[in-house]
Amino acid sequence: DAKTTQPPSMDCAEGRAANLPCNHSTISGNEYVYWYRQIHSQGPQYIIHGLKNNETNEMASLIITEDRKSSTLILPHATLRDTAVYYCIVRASFGNEKLTFGTGTRLTIIP
Amino acid sequence: ETGVTQTPRHLVMGMTNKKSLKCEQHLGHNAMYWYKQSAKKPLELMFVYNFKEQTENNSVPSRFSPECPNSSHLFLHLHTLQPEDSALYLCASSRAYGVQETQYFGPGTRLLVL
Repeated sequence: DAKTTQPPSMDCAEGRAANLPCNHSTISGNEYVYWYRQIHSQGPQYIIHGLKNNETNEMASLIITEDRKSSTLILPHATLRDTAVYYCIVRASFGNEKLTFGTGTRLTIIP
Repeated sequence: ETGVTQTPRHLVMGMTNKKSLKCEQHLGHNAMYWYKQSAKKPLELMFVYNFKEQTENNSVPSRFSPECPNSSHLFLHLHTLQPEDSALYLCASSRAYGVQETQYFGPGTRLLVL
């Protein structure tokens, strides 16, 4: 799987949009971008994934650049409960199920 | 709630003890996983089961012994652990293995080995 690069930490004011960047410059054409998050002392939680089109669900939006070398996860109205470590993972569309978690971005929502 | 439960949530054991961690999924999934998360380290995949058959063992020491009696239950048997085995142990499940499927994680068991 291609490697990803994320900032180690970010702060965001409560009620504002949180934009979490991820670089995946070596991504290949059949690899998806997945986002998970892990709230302190809990298991990781799936957020969203996409291949090349932008995606939106009830939790977040995923914006993937046209060259697919980077993406941004957007939490539109951050709340204190969104404080967590966010993981950007690149994963092949077929083959094994390995999710390779890096160190992620620690997002802190400020009241 | 993700539909994946783990018991116990916390466990303290001595190096000579034998204990087991249990995972149960209520999602009708066929693949189940054990991960280890040590302090300050990324999650590490330990074992994968697909339709009750072990398909991956990522060089895990034999003091960790998994068991998957059916597609809904997964156990991790622990024997003569070391203090460095103290970690958060996470179970996950997905509909299938070998295709693009989302994994759903349980809350984890926090293990302390004394």
